[in-house]
Amino acid sequence: EPEVTQTPSHQVTQMGQEVILRCVPISNHLYFYWYRQILGQKVEFLVSFYNNEISEKSEIFDDQFSVERPDGSNFTLKIRSTKLEDSAMYFCASRKDRNQPQHFGDGTRLSIL
Amino acid sequence: DQQVKQNSPSLSVQEGRISILNCDYTNSMFDYFLWYKKYPAEGPTFLISISSIKDKNEDGRFTVFLNKSAKHLSLHIVPSQPGDSAVYFCAASADDQGGSEKLVFGKGTKLTVNP
Repeated sequence: EPEVTQTPSHQVTQMGQEVILRCVPISNHLYFYWYRQILGQKVEFLVSFYNNEISEKSEIFDDQFSVERPDGSNFTLKIRSTKLEDSAMYFCASRKDRNQPQHFGDGTRLSIL
Repeated sequence: DQQVKQNSPSLSVQEGRISILNCDYTNSMFDYFLWYKKYPAEGPTFLISISSIKDKNEDGRFTVFLNKSAKHLSLHIVPSQPGDSAVYFCAASADDQGGSEKLVFGKGTKLTVNP
């Protein structure tokens, strides 16, 4: 069964450094998402992406964050200058069509030192 | 901001019995509801969903019930199996013109099925 894949599984970065989290969504899906889960808290929405542009972003998704779909398969989340509070699990998700379930990758654990 | 609430952090049931997980929501614009199962070190796995035009959806051992007037949904697992032990998340989305349909998650309920 097709699945969403995320790399790396764990990323350790110094505060202030840039980090890029990578995702390969399911191939025939059209809608792409990033979520994050800080330890002990809810899974929270960061950004949605459709038709090569951001369709919605949360308050968390400030100017330090950006997303890109550089080719037909990858979907990336970049954090320009990481902060300690960016430490979390980051999940990528994709869905095929409206009112269809989102399918999640296994996440990248981002640790900021 | 608790638009989706799962008030029971944990639930323990015996193998073979029914597990009932509950979820309440406050946003009347939500029109699509989902249940996800999550094991440690893995992402949420989609289980079952229901549209607001229905009040029940069934898939094998899993049934989701939606009570729109009470803004409440529940997931029934019958019979429960030890492999069902995981954290279960309720999630909801609202149809919007932009097509985002972002998911709003509850905090999760940890289900333990005892052999």
